[in-house]
Amino acid sequence: GESVGLHLPTLSVQEGDNSIINCAYSNSASDYFIWYKQESGKGPQFIIDIRSNMDKRQGQRVTVLLNKTVKHLSLQIAATQPGDSAVYFCAENGSGSNTGKLIFGQGTTLQVKP
Amino acid sequence: GAGVSQTPSNKVTEKGKYVELRCDPISGHTALYWYRQSLGQGPEFLIYFQGTGAADDSGLPNDRFFAVRPEGSVSTLKIQRTERGDSAVYLCASSLGNGQPQHFGDGTRLSIL
Repeated sequence: GESVGLHLPTLSVQEGDNSIINCAYSNSASDYFIWYKQESGKGPQFIIDIRSNMDKRQGQRVTVLLNKTVKHLSLQIAATQPGDSAVYFCAENGSGSNTGKLIFGQGTTLQVKP
Repeated sequence: GAGVSQTPSNKVTEKGKYVELRCDPISGHTALYWYRQSLGQGPEFLIYFQGTGAADDSGLPNDRFFAVRPEGSVSTLKIQRTERGDSAVYLCASSLGNGQPQHFGDGTRLSIL
């Protein structure tokens, strides 16, 4: 079935360190993946996306890695800051590019210690 | 520019009542999505519009839920005969098209007493 899972519910890092948030997905038909950041009381905020024809994509302080062989996705945040504290969700498009539906994981809480 | 706007931000009503939740997408975005998020969970897909038509409504839980987008811009999610289990945050997102990043509003927190 379709599911997206995150390996750890909570990740605690020291300010300035790099953070890595992992995500596993099960649907091999998924060809679009996206990471969101959600702060309390707010909607999910787009961070970065990647398509299945790529294995790495970089943004500002963030990098997404996609390993289709093991159906694994990760988000790397460089020089983590207190403002990065939030819940992070990965999502996949499930049955492929014909659907607008995103399937979200449960989320990982990132706590940044000053 | 303006993001996705959802109103009201909070709605409290009694079991059995009818509610309407409104979503104003980002200008120019042809695709619009509704999701529902329970506490501690990721958003769950409800329905997706491409223009005025519902391209995928497979996530609507039952026939008490209905959504419209008559002019291809603003959308309204309608819930009849509300139940306590309908309590959640209802999120709306829009995108330039299918396969493009979905941008979310801050949601409507619906509480059914």
